[in-house]
Amino acid sequence: GQNIDQPTEMTATEGAIVQINCTYQTSGFNGLFWYQQHAGEAPTFLSYNVLDGLEEKGRFSSFLSRSKGYSYLLLKELQMKDSASYLCAVRDTGSGAGSYQLTFGKGTKLSVIP
Amino acid sequence: EADIYQTPRYLVIGTGKKITLECSQTMGHDKMYWYQQDPGMELHLIHYSYGVNSTEKGDLSSESTVSRIRTEHFPLTLESARPSHTSQYLCASSLSSFPGGQYFGPGTRLTVT
Repeated sequence: GQNIDQPTEMTATEGAIVQINCTYQTSGFNGLFWYQQHAGEAPTFLSYNVLDGLEEKGRFSSFLSRSKGYSYLLLKELQMKDSASYLCAVRDTGSGAGSYQLTFGKGTKLSVIP
Repeated sequence: EADIYQTPRYLVIGTGKKITLECSQTMGHDKMYWYQQDPGMELHLIHYSYGVNSTEKGDLSSESTVSRIRTEHFPLTLESARPSHTSQYLCASSLSSFPGGQYFGPGTRLTVT
């Protein structure tokens, strides 16, 4: 199984840059996903990392270090609409019928202030 | 954009009633999932399916049941609703092939009175 840790809450200013960290422990790492979830809505897929390094998608970037069990999501040029929870999810190769499931962290609630 | 649908979006029902939450996807995904999430809390996997006639229980114990008779359809049933079942229920689907990210439906917010 996995143990996923991310900060509970963060606050940042509109226009700034914020980095949301995620650490994990897993026996058979097979990819890390970031999701955005606005209050009362379903999570939406943001990014995916399976190899070490940085993946960039517009204002959002995600970084992975498999040896350190560490990832971060970087949000640039913050906008008020970026206020949401950001979920880190790890996929484990596992075994049997449970293989390749995602395990979600508890999420980081980001508040963007003017 | 993901094409995964859930009905109803909101449901208020009395204790003891039987309910079925519907989930359908038109993406041809072989894997489907049901999560339960209370407001401001983490997602908990309650059921998943890797294909037709395949269903498994997730990490969180649930009194609900699921079926997968068709690839695109994964309904969740509560035989006798209780106030403790009040929550948001999220359906998701994914492909088995790389990268296999999950796409979520809009959710059903269930209130049992």
